[in-house]
Amino acid sequence: KNEVEQSPQNLTAQEGEFITINCSYSVGISALHWLQQHPGGGIVSLFMLSSGKKKHGRLIATINIQEKHSSLHITASHPRDSAVYICAVVSYNTDKLIFGTGTRLQVFP
Amino acid sequence: DAEITQSPRHKITETGRQVTLACHQTWNHNNMFWYRQDLGHGLRLIHYSYGVHDTNKGEVSDGYSVSRSNTEDLPLTLESAASSQTSVYFCASKDGGIGELFFGEGSRLTVL
Repeated sequence: KNEVEQSPQNLTAQEGEFITINCSYSVGISALHWLQQHPGGGIVSLFMLSSGKKKHGRLIATINIQEKHSSLHITASHPRDSAVYICAVVSYNTDKLIFGTGTRLQVFP
Repeated sequence: DAEITQSPRHKITETGRQVTLACHQTWNHNNMFWYRQDLGHGLRLIHYSYGVHDTNKGEVSDGYSVSRSNTEDLPLTLESAASSQTSVYFCASKDGGIGELFFGEGSRLTVL
């Protein structure tokens, strides 16, 4: 079993829909990152969370440390949100990143 | 502005040649990482460093080496390139613990 599990693996949506991507982990962490990668592009950290909730524009990320679970929400999705979203946790013991397998999101007009 | 840069962005080489991919960050981060990204495998850790003169092997380190002579740079060397090392390589740096994380733009390496 992977230490970081993401769901769903693939997601398609119509423009304007509300999107949720989930991440569960089984290790002790000091932080969790939500990463975005556009096709053929670089990797950008959207959020770093160690507790609670963060919001940036149409993106919201939450984390529940007790339940070892995080969610990334996209409100009013847009075709430019089409990308792979990766959950990555920072191991408390080693400070190394452990990656989820990613969620491929396609938003159609 | 602080940044992290990789070079070259694209490289084509032949089997058996030595290749070095550069990674330079101006965040003054102690922690630096090299990953490769392949279809079906996601990001896999090659080598990492927690500071000057510190280097550690990741899960796919065979055929690769790194050195850390200063805080800013962590070059990745392929001693004798193999076709199996055709991949996109990403360098990352972060501060310890809950520090921010930054990735380079990636280096696409093709070994013929």
